[in-house]
Amino acid sequence: AQTVTQSQPEMSVQEAETVTLSCTYDTSESDYYLFWYKQPPSRQMILVIRQEAYKQQNATENRFSVNFQKAAKSFSLKISDSQLGDAAMYFCAYAGNNRKLIWGLGTSLAVNP
Amino acid sequence: DVKVTQSSRYLVKRTGEKVFLECVQDMDHENMFWYRQDPGLGLRLIYFSYDVKMKEKGDIPEGYSVSREKKERFSLILESASTNQTSMYLCASSGDRSHQETQYFGPGTRLLVL
Repeated sequence: AQTVTQSQPEMSVQEAETVTLSCTYDTSESDYYLFWYKQPPSRQMILVIRQEAYKQQNATENRFSVNFQKAAKSFSLKISDSQLGDAAMYFCAYAGNNRKLIWGLGTSLAVNP
Repeated sequence: DVKVTQSSRYLVKRTGEKVFLECVQDMDHENMFWYRQDPGLGLRLIYFSYDVKMKEKGDIPEGYSVSREKKERFSLILESASTNQTSMYLCASSGDRSHQETQYFGPGTRLLVL
């Protein structure tokens, strides 16, 4: 069975600095998708970024980028120029062949002014 | 933009009551999901549906049932609410033509069972 592990329950970063959130996963599938979702306090879960496993190029969305290491089964999220609005719970998720998502337990990110 | 709506943001019910949580999506998505979210436990899948009138159990279906009579609507039913069902309930849908696996979420319903 697939698993997703986020080893950092809590992280903090200074405003304007860069932070990296870690995610590792385990799977025997060769074709899959990986996601980072963001859930601000008392607000809706939204998609931050997605990565197709067959693509070697790391996905980027503005200040958010990933470091996808397929052989190591690692999928970290880098947030550059952190802003106060980036404070949230961040979840890493895996999607394989069955259309369900397997979720990590989340990393709570605090942004210090 | 995909829009997923849930019938209530906050709900307070008594033990033993029958509770209906409604979810509607406007993007003609085939797949719909119900999760519960608890601190330290992440998101746990209760039920999901790949098509109208079709349902599959997730990881924690006990005490819940679902209904999908129309493609856009997926209902979660607590037949007899219990205090251990106090939680945040999240609905999601997926099925974009280009991004089939990407799930889009509603705002959540925070349920308190007294």
